[in-house]
Amino acid sequence: GAVVSQHPSRVICKSGTSVKIECRSLDFQATTMFWYRQFPKQSLMLMATSNEGSKATYEQGVEKDKFLINHASLTLSTLTVTSAHPEDSSFYICSAVEGPLGYQETQYFGPGTRLLVL
Amino acid sequence: AQSVTQLGSHVSVSEGALVLLRCNYSSSVPPYLFWYVQYPNQGLQLLLKYTTGATLVKGINGFEAEFKKSETSFHLTKPSAHMSDAAEYFCAVSDGSDYKLSFGAGTTVTVRA
Repeated sequence: GAVVSQHPSRVICKSGTSVKIECRSLDFQATTMFWYRQFPKQSLMLMATSNEGSKATYEQGVEKDKFLINHASLTLSTLTVTSAHPEDSSFYICSAVEGPLGYQETQYFGPGTRLLVL
Repeated sequence: AQSVTQLGSHVSVSEGALVLLRCNYSSSVPPYLFWYVQYPNQGLQLLLKYTTGATLVKGINGFEAEFKKSETSFHLTKPSAHMSDAAEYFCAVSDGSDYKLSFGAGTTVTVRA
C-alpha cells in the first residue's frame, strides 16, 4: 500500500524559533498533499492544501505567514512553523493523494509530528 | 459543504462482542465516505471507503460499513471485537472533487477482556 512518512516524529523547540516538518510519499507521486492539525483528544482540522509547483491553499483562520508550506516535488511537502509559540504545540499530520485529481479518492496519512514549543 | 456527526465519543465493548460506531453525514452532493482508525501517537489508517456502487463496504480487520442514503448514515460495524481494536475511530466525508475531508469528532473504542 501507499506509504507516507513524516520527519521528525517529535520535536521540541524554544519559543520564537522556526520548525520545519517534512512529509514524503515514499512509493507514489502525490500532486496534492494536505496538512492537518490535531489537538489532544480532538479531531483533525485541515490547515491547508499543498499542490506541487503552486502556492498552497489555506483554510479560513490559518495564518499563511506563520505556517509556510512548500511542495517542491511530487513526493515532498514541507510545513514550516515560523516564530513558534506555545499555542502552536500540537500534533501535525500530513496526507497525500495518489494519482491525478479525479482518479483516486483516498488520502494516505503520515504518522504525524508532535510539536512542543517551550 | 459537508459535515459529519459521530454519535458517542466513547464506546466500550467486551471482547468478542459487536462493535457499532455511528456516523451521520450532511452533504449537498453525493458523498464520498470514509472510516479511519488512529492508534495513540500515530497517523490515520484507512479502514474502508464508499464512493459509488455497492452500499455495503468491507474493509480491513473485519470491519464493514453500510451507506444508507435515506438515513444519511455510514455506520461502522465489526461482529466480534478484539483487544487490538482499541483505538480512536474517525468518520469523514468529502465531495470527491478536491479531496478535502471533513472529519467527525471521533469515537474512542475500549475493549474489555
